[in-house]
Parts: sequence; structure tokens; C-alpha cells
Amino acid sequence: EAGVTQSPTHLIKTRGQQATLRCSPISGHTSVYWYQQALGLGLQFLLWYDEGEERNRGNFPPRFSGRQFPNYSSELNVNALELEDSALYLCASSPFRPTDTQYFGPGTRLTVL
Amino acid sequence: AQTVTQSQPEMSVQEAETVTLSCTYDTSESDYYLFWYKQPPSRQMILVIRQEAYKQQNATENRFSVNFQKAAKSFSLKISDSQLGDAAMYFCAYRSATGNQFYFGTGTSLTVIP
Repeated sequence: EAGVTQSPTHLIKTRGQQATLRCSPISGHTSVYWYQQALGLGLQFLLWYDEGEERNRGNFPPRFSGRQFPNYSSELNVNALELEDSALYLCASSPFRPTDTQYFGPGTRLTVL
Repeated sequence: AQTVTQSQPEMSVQEAETVTLSCTYDTSESDYYLFWYKQPPSRQMILVIRQEAYKQQNATENRFSVNFQKAAKSFSLKISDSQLGDAAMYFCAYRSATGNQFYFGTGTSLTVIP
């Protein structure tokens, strides 16, 4: 069974640009979560999608947005990039059952210059 | 909102020895799930162990075991016979039984000394 995949592995942008990060969940998983992991910090919850809808979002500005497609893959968009957006962005998926854990992808390293 | 606290930013252990990583959480719920995740330098987060709050028995996975104290809202991870491959960042996480959102601690960086 394939795990959670993310693309690209690395992304380099300049301040003010837009970044698009992609995530494909494990087959059968309907929930996708996005986290930001800045250097030296823990995981900060960004967004949660399930069945194509945004279910919850963390304490991030509106320039962080995303969507979930009918095949449950997801996209995270970051507009008007700022230097402090440089971080590892992790995607995780889970079935919509409270007993299940999250399964993480390898992450996308975003660097904003 | 639930909070998860890991008060040890860094820990070290001698190879083959035992180490315990601490985690406390704050919740008003009675039913929930707790997890420990490991993030090696290669950065892929993997599940180490999980505990259902309604189970009194502490979860065990090979060399990894937990000490779950529900009344104290404490969920520590014990690693026995530490190996070099155990070196990683360890995150404690909480999930409500009725919701899907996970709450993570800030992590503990574990160094294993040969």
C-alpha cells in the first residue's frame, strides 16, 4: 500500500510569490491535514479537509488556503510569501474514524528568499 | 482547546540504557486517544505507539511502552535498550474520540550516545 506522498520535495520562492504544495493521501483515507513545522518548533496545525470540505483551520492568516479534490488529494496554497513562511510543510491523512492515527508524508521544504 | 505539553526539549541516553520522555495534556473530555510519533533526521513522521484513554492497560510495542496516568493527564514514553536508530524528535499527540483534529506537543529531541 502506498503511503502519503507530497510534491515537490523542495520549493524555493522569493518573497511575495505564491507557492503550491500537493499531497496525495493513502488510498481509502478521506481526511487530509496540513501542518507547518518551522525550524526548532513543533507542528503547527494549518488545515483539515475531509470529503472535499475544509473542516477546521489553525491560527494562520487567510493567505494560507487550500482545497481537497474528489480523489481526496489536496493542495495547499500560500500567497504573498513572507520570509517566515520558510518551513517544512507536512501533510497527513487518516480515515474518518476517531480510533485511527494520522499517517504522514515526507514533507515539502519551502524556502522563501 | 486541548493542549499538549512536552517539557523536555532535549534528552540524551546511553546506548542500551532506558529513557523516559514526558508528556502532559489538558482536556475536559473523558474519551480520547494519545499517540507518540517519531521524526528521524530523514523527517518522515512515523507512529511509535498509541493508547486509548478508556483502556487502563498501558500500551507496549516491543522496546517502547507508555505510562498512562489518566487522572494526572500524563502520558510518558519509555524506550528500553536504546539503540542508535532511536535518535529522533519525538512528538506526543492527542486526539478526541469525537473529533478528528490532532494536537501535538512541541517535541523532544532524543540523542543516543554510543
